[in-house]
Amino acid sequence: DTEVTQTPKHLVMGMTNKKSLKCEQHMGHRAMYWYKQKAKKPPELMFVYSYEKLSINESVPSRFSPECPNSSLLNLHLHALQPEDSALYLCASSLGTVTSTDTQYFGPGTRLTVL
Amino acid sequence: EDQVTQSPEALRLQEGESSSLNCSYTVSGLRGLFWYRQDPGKGPEFLFTLYSAGEEKEKERLKATLTKKESFLHITAPKPEDSATYLCAVRSPISSGSARQLTFGSGTQLTVLP
Repeated sequence: DTEVTQTPKHLVMGMTNKKSLKCEQHMGHRAMYWYKQKAKKPPELMFVYSYEKLSINESVPSRFSPECPNSSLLNLHLHALQPEDSALYLCASSLGTVTSTDTQYFGPGTRLTVL
Repeated sequence: EDQVTQSPEALRLQEGESSSLNCSYTVSGLRGLFWYRQDPGKGPEFLFTLYSAGEEKEKERLKATLTKKESFLHITAPKPEDSATYLCAVRSPISSGSARQLTFGSGTQLTVLP
């Protein structure tokens, strides 16, 4: 089973709202990722967690706050977003980060619209 | 800096008309080349991982090959359900952190007409 789940599927929020995106995997993967994807563009890496610790932050604005409560869960907390933050937010996971065999498996994504 | 270029940007085929998608890459120390399929509004679906020149992998109507500079995704006798965007990505060692990043190409949008 290579399933990564994400909730919600769709989210509409105002610029003053606080919301969270959730990602879950039960494959025993120790690396988890957040990507942002705009229409007709490839995914852009935002954050990487390795063994529940933030490993990479790709200079993402502080209005995006990631959290990894345990090895199976990854959250993305959203606050004071801008309309240009509207995009498909993708979560991915991979077995580990130190071997050359780890494929990233993506979830279905959360379609975020900021009004 | 790693670079990945996919061509063509868009491809329209008739059902049963075989073709190939190209992924050219420039990377220091390839640690894997990945093919994904992405349907509109969905997350990328993993297809293949290739690690070394000469390697080939097949799955149903798809076959991926790898050379030192490029990878091809061959589609044999495609069906309308093969319509999707096909993404190529490469992974290389990075200088900081413990995680390996993916560099994606811009994708090839494939449409297979019945």
